[in-house]
Amino acid sequence: SQQGEEDPQALSIQEGENATMNCSYKTSINNLQWYRQNSGRGLVHLILIRSNEREKHSGRLRVTLDTSKKSSSLLITASRAADTASYFCATDPYGQNFVFGPGTRLSVLP
Amino acid sequence: DTGVSQDPRHKITKRGQNVTFRCDPISEHNRLYWYRQTLGQGPEFLTYFQNEAQLEKSRLLSDRFSAERPKGSFSTLEIQRTEQGDSAMYLCASSSGQTYNSPLHFGNGTRLTVT
Repeated sequence: SQQGEEDPQALSIQEGENATMNCSYKTSINNLQWYRQNSGRGLVHLILIRSNEREKHSGRLRVTLDTSKKSSSLLITASRAADTASYFCATDPYGQNFVFGPGTRLSVLP
Repeated sequence: DTGVSQDPRHKITKRGQNVTFRCDPISEHNRLYWYRQTLGQGPEFLTYFQNEAQLEKSRLLSDRFSAERPKGSFSTLEIQRTEQGDSAMYLCASSSGQTYNSPLHFGNGTRLTVT
C-alpha cells in the first residue's frame, strides 16, 4: 500500500485561480517533499518541509504540514497554463528512500 | 550541473529479451535511486545506492532485475527475460546526501515497451 495519497486525483481550474492539493500519509516521517512532473518528463523537486515545520513558502507555492493529522497541502497561487502538470508528494517513512503518492493531475485552462 | 541523464529514452523489446538501461547522475552526488512509474501512477521505489554500495532493494525487484553502480558513478539497470508487465517508465534520480533531507534530482526516464 502507498504511504502517501494525493487528493484530488485530478483538478481543472482557470488561469489566475488558486490550486490546492492535499497529501495524506500513514506513518511518521522526517520530511515531506512535493514534486512536479510534466508529461513524459522526470520529476522536478518543488519544496521540502521538515516534520518540525508547519508552513513553508517558495514563490507562488505554499506548503503546510500537519503531523497530527498526517497530512500536507500544496497551494499554487495565481496559476498559469505552465503549471499544468502532475504533482506528487513524497515521504521518507523508511529512512533513505522516498515513497511517492499517485499524484494530482492539474490542468490550468487559459 | 548537467543534470541526470538516462539512456536510452525509449526502448521497445520483445518479451523474453534482456534490456539494460544506463543512468549518469549529477557528478558530485553520491546517492542514486531507481524508480519505476506506470501510467497515471506515482514512481515506485526499486533500489538505492550510496556510492557503489546497493543499500536497499524493493520487494518489487524480482530476481530478473539487477542494478549496479561500479565505481560509484553511473548505474545500470538490467531486466532479464522481459515480460509485458515490465512495460513502464524507469526513472533514475540522484541526490547529494549531504543532509538527510537532500531532494532528488530526476532524469527524464527510459520508457520501456515490451511487446
